[in-house]
Amino acid sequence: GAVVSQHPSWVICKSGTSVKIECRSLDFQATTMFWYRQFPKQSLMLMATSNEGSKATYEQGVEKDKFLINHASLTLSTLTVTSAHPEDSSFYICSATERALRGYEQYFGPGTRLTVT
Amino acid sequence: SQKIEQNSEALNIQEGKTATLTCNYTNYSPAYLQWYRQDPGRGPVFLLLIRENEKEKRKERLKVTFDTTLKQSLFHITASQPADSATYLCALDGDNQGGKLIFGQGTELSVKP
Repeated sequence: GAVVSQHPSWVICKSGTSVKIECRSLDFQATTMFWYRQFPKQSLMLMATSNEGSKATYEQGVEKDKFLINHASLTLSTLTVTSAHPEDSSFYICSATERALRGYEQYFGPGTRLTVT
Repeated sequence: SQKIEQNSEALNIQEGKTATLTCNYTNYSPAYLQWYRQDPGRGPVFLLLIRENEKEKRKERLKVTFDTTLKQSLFHITASQPADSATYLCALDGDNQGGKLIFGQGTELSVKP
């Protein structure tokens, strides 16, 4: 199956700093990538939809100025958590799909564990 | 708003038995429903997709049913093995646009040898 990688797999940063997380589709071109966050024992919550070459679409309640998303190519999307605070500590997961249409499966990355101290 | 509910309790079964997980949804009529497996500290892995006009779908030891009248999907693992222990997530396509998925909270399955 298709492979999606994330980097880093885990990161610890100090409050007030920014952290960038990369999501790459390794063997296919992803027209669309999705960013999720997941708290322990909870479901995946969609944060934003990222389309190559255009601005990301954010879900209600997600601060676009805090969570900057860039989808510069068909294989790379980045999520930057700006001015991170302890409440931003979470598991961030990206997924990618070849076609952003109903019924197409999403290929998920392994996730990035962010801890803000 | 769309709501998805899965078995809230963890499911513990004996090896060799059939595990049945439930996914119920309200306020929506999805065209597709998907099931994913998630291991601790890892991203979800796609298992099966079933369309609204399909009643049942199978893949090796996995079987999914989709009842649009009851607004329910059942996910079965037959001849379960300890390696099947994981959290299983159901997901519905969201709002007809752009392939978004809405996930249930997941059911943790533990298969004892």
